[in-house]
Amino acid sequence: GAGVSQSPRYKVTKRGQDVALRCDPISGHVSLYWYRQALGQGPEFLTYFNYEAQQDKSGLPNDRFSAERPEGSISTLTIQRTEQRDSAMYRCASSPGLAGGTDTQYFGPGTRLTVL
Amino acid sequence: AQTVTQSQPEMSVQEAETVTLSCTYDTSESDYYLFWYKQPPSRQMILVIRQEAYKQQNATENRFSVNFQKAAKSFSLKISDSQLGDAAMYFCAYRSYQGGSEKLVFGKGTKLTVNP
Repeated sequence: GAGVSQSPRYKVTKRGQDVALRCDPISGHVSLYWYRQALGQGPEFLTYFNYEAQQDKSGLPNDRFSAERPEGSISTLTIQRTEQRDSAMYRCASSPGLAGGTDTQYFGPGTRLTVL
Repeated sequence: AQTVTQSQPEMSVQEAETVTLSCTYDTSESDYYLFWYKQPPSRQMILVIRQEAYKQQNATENRFSVNFQKAAKSFSLKISDSQLGDAAMYFCAYRSYQGGSEKLVFGKGTKLTVNP
């Protein structure tokens, strides 16, 4: 596609519910990243994939958070048993995956999650 | 772990004037990448400019240029001929050159106001 797309753009859920956030990267991009951005802060890394392989999940805050990219394209970030502290903007980015290159990450519009 | 510091939470500039946003970072690596991203009120994340640490020449993109001081670990952004559309949050980000550490590490951002 022309850019990174994310859905839904806004999600309001009740505490304790599970949510699934979707990211559709730029066509042909090898690498896909998830970040979380609290209001007034910079994005913080959660996890990333090369193709379908999860390369680094060190930023996932706890085991309620998981991500997958089963076919190496679309990715889903799942938050189980949501808590109010999970409220934030969740951003996805993709990059071509150029070995040794600048490999710029291009961001999607984000999903604003509100947990009541 | 790498850290990025933006010491100016807010800056303002008059339209058509020049403004410089500061960024410092901490790393033990010799090769890495640095980026400036812009986040307008729409909350999109837009790449402004990037710099490879091994390049001595400062990057420029139209009205945007950087002053990269590797020894001082400083990476400031200069915006010339400021326009109303430049008003946004600006985030400085670091990325390791080493494979396996593809994540971006962001600063907390600087809010730029452009006065007519």
